[in-house]
Amino acid sequence: DADVTQTPRNRITKTGKRIMLECSQTKGHDRMYWYRQDPGLGLRLIYYSFDVKDINKGEISDGYSVSRQAQAKFSLSLESAIPNQTALYFCATAEGFNQPQHFGDGTRLSIL
Amino acid sequence: GNSVTQMEGPVTLSEEAFLTINCTYTATGYPSLFWYVQYPGEGLQLLLKATKADDKGSNKGFEATYRKETTSFHLEKGSVQVSDSAVYFCALSDQAYKYIFGTGTRLKVLA
Repeated sequence: DADVTQTPRNRITKTGKRIMLECSQTKGHDRMYWYRQDPGLGLRLIYYSFDVKDINKGEISDGYSVSRQAQAKFSLSLESAIPNQTALYFCATAEGFNQPQHFGDGTRLSIL
Repeated sequence: GNSVTQMEGPVTLSEEAFLTINCTYTATGYPSLFWYVQYPGEGLQLLLKATKADDKGSNKGFEATYRKETTSFHLEKGSVQVSDSAVYFCALSDQAYKYIFGTGTRLKVLA
């Protein structure tokens, strides 16, 4: 089984809908991250969390919210989806400072 | 602020050719540096890392050396294979406990 699991893998929805992307991990890491990937822009950080009670905004948090339900679970929500949020979304974990990140396989989200 | 700049792709090579993908960075302090690889339909996977100046990371025939004097971490491989076709990302971990990624370089290796 994958160490970092994202669900769903693909989602097509309409403008204005509320969407939740889920991430769960079995690595036992405290640090979790949400990124979006757009062609030519690399990965941009949306939110990150260092433990259940610690949530931080990244560089592009507007229009998104997160919930850290447990050490192993970190969900990303789009309250009212808009077409320019169409992208590939990745969840990642890390053991600690300066340690490499571990990524899920991504959620491809299309908003019509 | 901190940043990572890597060469734009796509890079197209014949099998067994030598590969270099350039990566330079700006950062305060002493970041760790990483190369990740992304295959189609998958997430990023760690390829190699270096944690201090002059460290050389290596894995699967790929190498990169942490050069503080030139703020570079170029990825090299002596003989690429078709299976190396992927997108490669250079990244650093900064003092704010976050990670900064380059924009990625697509590599295509032809048989």
